[in-house]
Amino acid sequence: RKEVEQDPGPFNVPEGATVAFNCTYSNSASQSFFWYRQDCRKEPKLLMSVYSSGNEDGRFTAQLNRASQYISLLIRDSKLSDSATYLCVVNAGGSQGNLIFGKGTKLSVKP
Amino acid sequence: DTGVSQDPRHKITKRGQNVTFRCDPISEHNRLYWYRQTLGQGPEFLTYFQNEAQLEKSRLLSDRFSAERPKGSFSTLEIQRTEQGDSAMYLCASSLALGLAPEQFFGPGTRLTVL
Repeated sequence: RKEVEQDPGPFNVPEGATVAFNCTYSNSASQSFFWYRQDCRKEPKLLMSVYSSGNEDGRFTAQLNRASQYISLLIRDSKLSDSATYLCVVNAGGSQGNLIFGKGTKLSVKP
Repeated sequence: DTGVSQDPRHKITKRGQNVTFRCDPISEHNRLYWYRQTLGQGPEFLTYFQNEAQLEKSRLLSDRFSAERPKGSFSTLEIQRTEQGDSAMYLCASSLALGLAPEQFFGPGTRLTVL
């Protein structure tokens, strides 16, 4: 089992749609969870951290279920500018520096 | 532009040659990380430093790879006797040492092509 698994995608959605990405992780010792965004041929950038209580940042909502080792990202009212690859990221259990990235899910928002 | 810079941005080399990449982190960041990313994959952790100390290395980091951060500021990643399988984007990131896994800011990467 891969350490971080994501929906394979790609997701092709119209502007204004709501889209949800799912992610599972295998190491129960992981303590920190993130969603990063990566535009084509660019570096990854932090979109948001994910907390057990769930957190929201504008149109983006992230959820964490530690018992199921499951992370989600919901994007509401999607914009053309949301087109990118979304990477689910967890820290390796016991490590303060080793981030484990999923393969990413590509989102394409069409007019 | 996150403030992390990498040089060169692109490197084409022949198999068997040595290459060295440089990363300059955000100035006040004491942690520096190296990752490798191939097409269609997420970044894979290679190693990280806190100040000048190399605290962790991935088993992906073979004996041909070495990283240094001699003064706790910039870092270099050297690959000796390059192989075609080394072709990838090499990403550097930096952060402050805050909390368990602080936000890492990535540089633009060095794209290595081994012919």
